Amino acid sequence: GQQVMQIPQYQHVQEGEDFTTYCNSSTTLSNIQWYKQRPGGHPVFLIQLVKSGEVKKQKRLTFQFGEAKKNSSLHITATQTTDVGTYFCAGQATSYDKVIFGPGTSLSVIP
Amino acid sequence: DAGITQSPRHKVTETGTPVTLRCHQTENHRYMYWYRQDPGHGLRLIHYSYGVKDTDKGEVSDGYSVSRSKTEDFLLTLESATSSQTSVYFCAISRQGSYGYTFGSGTRLTVV
Repeated sequence: GQQVMQIPQYQHVQEGEDFTTYCNSSTTLSNIQWYKQRPGGHPVFLIQLVKSGEVKKQKRLTFQFGEAKKNSSLHITATQTTDVGTYFCAGQATSYDKVIFGPGTSLSVIP
Repeated sequence: DAGITQSPRHKVTETGTPVTLRCHQTENHRYMYWYRQDPGHGLRLIHYSYGVKDTDKGEVSDGYSVSRSKTEDFLLTLESATSSQTSVYFCAISRQGSYGYTFGSGTRLTVV
């Protein structure tokens, strides 16, 4: 079945450093979604990408969908303590399939 | 998020007892989902619903059942709770199956 993997599992950065998490699917995706979960909280939807090679930005966050639609990345520029949390990617093989979540990347930011 | 609530927020129950978790939405969304979250496993889909009385199994459905008699309510039942079902349970809703999910605040269930 479809699998979604993420690396790294954990990342510790100094405040102000950049951060990137990578998401890879075993199958081609129709779309990919990104979520953020603060410690003790619930996942919050950040964005959805649907086009091959698509790049979207939200302030310091840059999301990219690979040309082959099998991988994606989330890059945070100049991390802040408010960026702490776990970032999940989630993909669908087709719009009718169930969304499969990756295991997440846990980000710690050292002030 | 406003529009989706889960109850109870915390529950401790004994092995072998039935437990029902409730998810209530005010968004009139068609799709509702139940996930469990465990360390090292991320979010795993238990059951989902695509309309009133229309439900289907997810990847970890054994030991769980669901019901959706109204658009706004999606119930998750553990028929006979086991320690392996100790977890955080999240309900999620979506306007359509291929769009971002809105998650509830979660229910922390402990089976002793």
